[in-house]
Amino acid sequence: ETGVTQTPRHLVMGMTNKKSLKCEQHLGHNAMYWYKQSAKKPLELMFVYSLEERVENNSVPSRFSPECPNSSHLFLHLHTLQPEDSALYLCASSQDRGTGAAQPQHFGDGTRLSIL
Amino acid sequence: LAKTTQPISMDSYEGQEVNITCSHNNIATNDYITWYQQFPSQGPRFIIQGYKTKVTNEVASLFIPADRKSSTLSLPRVSLSDTAVYYCLVGGDNAGNNRKLIWGLGTSLAVNP
Repeated sequence: ETGVTQTPRHLVMGMTNKKSLKCEQHLGHNAMYWYKQSAKKPLELMFVYSLEERVENNSVPSRFSPECPNSSHLFLHLHTLQPEDSALYLCASSQDRGTGAAQPQHFGDGTRLSIL
Repeated sequence: LAKTTQPISMDSYEGQEVNITCSHNNIATNDYITWYQQFPSQGPRFIIQGYKTKVTNEVASLFIPADRKSSTLSLPRVSLSDTAVYYCLVGGDNAGNNRKLIWGLGTSLAVNP
């Protein structure tokens, strides 16, 4: 039990499909993140939400659309994806106190996404 | 942005102590040093975090010299289950700075019987 749960664990979709990835954290954190991890590449930060407000969007294509309805849930809506979008998508959370106290991130186990 | 440099891979044997050193010459005054562990098809797991000197928890120790330009993760008496990728990051004192973290390829540690 990591405290951060991602569903589904695996997803296969065609390029014209629309799907959503879900992340739920049970740690009482107020910041949540989406990362993409491709094979042999470092983690790439996609989006950051702090207090349910998006604070970062790292030039992610519009075919990825995040949603953070509350501090415990984070979604990544997918549409018209490309084969190069196949990767492991990781969600993380942390407690943002903004006081200078270091707040490590807690990760889920990811959704393995395959685009046909 | 503080970038880190660590070995791409390391080999060890069960029962040995493993030390993984990370260089971070551009570390900023407010930056913390954090280490994560990642197994295949899982998310990274927080191992240990420090600011200066030495930090120890139940799984590892973190040694940070006075100039803070490097750090060493020490894993005592490794077992086969410690085979994983280990990431060193600097920064991240809040969500605003977590977004500036640079994740490298980490160090792939292989523990052999």
